[in-house]
Amino acid sequence: EADIYQTPRYLVIGTGKKITLECSQTMGHDKMYWYQQDPGMELHLIHYSYGVNSTEKGDLSSESTVSRIRTEHFPLTLESARPSHTSQYLCASSETLAAKNIQYFGAGTRLSVL
Amino acid sequence: SQQGEEDPQALSIQEGENATMNCSYKTSINNLQWYRQNSGRGLVHLILIRSNEREKHSGRLRVTLDTSKKSSSLLITASRAADTASYFCATPRSGSEKLVFGKGTKLTVNP
Repeated sequence: EADIYQTPRYLVIGTGKKITLECSQTMGHDKMYWYQQDPGMELHLIHYSYGVNSTEKGDLSSESTVSRIRTEHFPLTLESARPSHTSQYLCASSETLAAKNIQYFGAGTRLSVL
Repeated sequence: SQQGEEDPQALSIQEGENATMNCSYKTSINNLQWYRQNSGRGLVHLILIRSNEREKHSGRLRVTLDTSKKSSSLLITASRAADTASYFCATPRSGSEKLVFGKGTKLTVNP
């Protein structure tokens, strides 16, 4: 099991609410990622962080924002949730060593916006 | 797009049989990885094969890589019901540590 944790595991919330999905890792990895994945579908990168105070958008446009104030913590925030945000959100981290770029994933947060 | 494509999209077999999944990709790579995802969970790294390797084994897993055909295969031997999951191949983007994941093969192993 990887030392990367996501909370909450499940979240059901009404439209217009502000939410923050938490992601923490204890491996000291410098790189962290947020993916969005609909059931049975592929992963889409929505945010990426090289390190503290360094973030960039991913391939899939997302209304969410992220911050990286500490190495171990990479929260994702939605200011105003909508039903279109319903999905599974996966957080991952990696440390590039010897040309390897193995990613370690959290268990995910399944978000439902009513 | 550099995205890998797995084939088949879904595979259903009986316990004890072997399962083979294929992945094709579009650009030159220095390695290729396979991940597993149990339903509703995150992905777990299974195995990495470098571009200068043709075959790699890990327990009941056997991965091959053919860089001339830009394809890889994952073989699970003597499958078990617990192997039921989705399997994804992933390749690095050019000049980046980011990975591009394929659409996955959903494997069902019937007891």
